[in-house]
Amino acid sequence: GENVEQHPSTLSVQEGDSAVIKCTYSDSASNYFPWYKQELGKRPQLIIDIRSNVGEKKDQRIAVTLNKTAKHFSLHITETQPEDSAVYFCAPNQAGTALIFGKGTTLSVSS
Amino acid sequence: SAVISQKPSRDICQRGTSLTIQCQVDSQVTMMFWYRQQPGQSLTLIATANQGSEATYESGFVIDKFPISRPNLTFSTLTVSNMSPEDSSIYLCSGGDDYGYTFGSGTRLTVV
Repeated sequence: GENVEQHPSTLSVQEGDSAVIKCTYSDSASNYFPWYKQELGKRPQLIIDIRSNVGEKKDQRIAVTLNKTAKHFSLHITETQPEDSAVYFCAPNQAGTALIFGKGTTLSVSS
Repeated sequence: SAVISQKPSRDICQRGTSLTIQCQVDSQVTMMFWYRQQPGQSLTLIATANQGSEATYESGFVIDKFPISRPNLTFSTLTVSNMSPEDSSIYLCSGGDDYGYTFGSGTRLTVV
């Protein structure tokens, strides 16, 4: 089965700085690579995803990059804001199967 | 993307009893799953809810403890049976297809 590792487990940045979270996976058959944001007491929300035929995807301040050869993908947040503070999860999977979540990264953005 | 309504949002239950959690999706989805999330931790997959057939359980989860139904492509239930305090957790359903997955709002279960 899929083995997912996520680093770092906690990340503290100043408002306006960039944040990068890396996710390493084991299953070479994985072809869908999403990132979820979970605020305290809320459900996980999909913030960005990428598929295996694309190397990078950007949506305003958020981007995801994928290195299929090395089996890792990363979440990049630029110009961080206090409302970016949350727990972020990667959850790679193969189409038609369940998401397998990393252990999460707690991002704290201080103003 | 699909919107999932989950209920109850929270419950406090006596040990030895059972609780059934329901998830209703606003559109047909290919896949539905059930997860458990302990406070401050990640989501752990309990099972895949298969439409019209028995669910597929992950290691450590069994049908007698967590029976799941999925009678159609928009609805699923998870029952937590013969509860003990160790079952206290947040339970979430998820649904989607190749275009992505969304989550219900979760059920916070406390067993006393």
